[in-house]
Amino acid sequence: KNEVEQSPQNLTAQEGEFITINCSYSVGISALHWLQQHPGGGIVSLFMLSSGKKKHGRLIATINIQEKHSSLHITASHPRDSAVYICAVPSGSRLTFGEGTQLTVNP
Amino acid sequence: DTEVTQTPKHLVMGMTNKKSLKCEQHMGHRAMYWYKQKAKKPPELMFVYSYEKLSINESVPSRFSPECPNSSLLNLHLHALQPEDSALYLCASRPTGGNTEAFFGQGTRLTVV
Repeated sequence: KNEVEQSPQNLTAQEGEFITINCSYSVGISALHWLQQHPGGGIVSLFMLSSGKKKHGRLIATINIQEKHSSLHITASHPRDSAVYICAVPSGSRLTFGEGTQLTVNP
Repeated sequence: DTEVTQTPKHLVMGMTNKKSLKCEQHMGHRAMYWYKQKAKKPPELMFVYSYEKLSINESVPSRFSPECPNSSLLNLHLHALQPEDSALYLCASRPTGGNTEAFFGQGTRLTVV
């Protein structure tokens, strides 16, 4: 079993839809990262959170440390949101990545 | 400046060539990382430098040789690579200690022919 599991693996939505991507982890952590990667591109850090909820524009990330679960929500999705979304948890110097969720938002 | 800059963006090299990838950051981060990423897979950790010293080598073949000449610069020297080494190579940096955000570069797309 991977330490970090994401669902779904692939997600297709129509422009304007509300999107949810889930991340579950099996190890105790003090923080979790949500990352975004566009095709062929580098990785952008969206959020690092250790409790509760964070919001940036149309993106919202929540975490429940007791349940070892985090969600990334996108409101009013847009085709430019199409990317791979990755959750990652720190382990010492390392980051353990989930397999990523490929999001495609169609116009 | 919150950027991690990687050069070159693309590199094609033969199996007998020697080349280097470069990564630079000016955020004062003292932890720097090299990752390898194959298509549709998450990044795989290769090396970690902490305070310019190699702290983690994830059993990477010796044809990959990292170097951290100063706190802002990280190099990855490549020699005698194989076609299966073709991948996106990502550099990242973080402040050391505690829960800190990681910053990634745009990557170098390497093709070994």
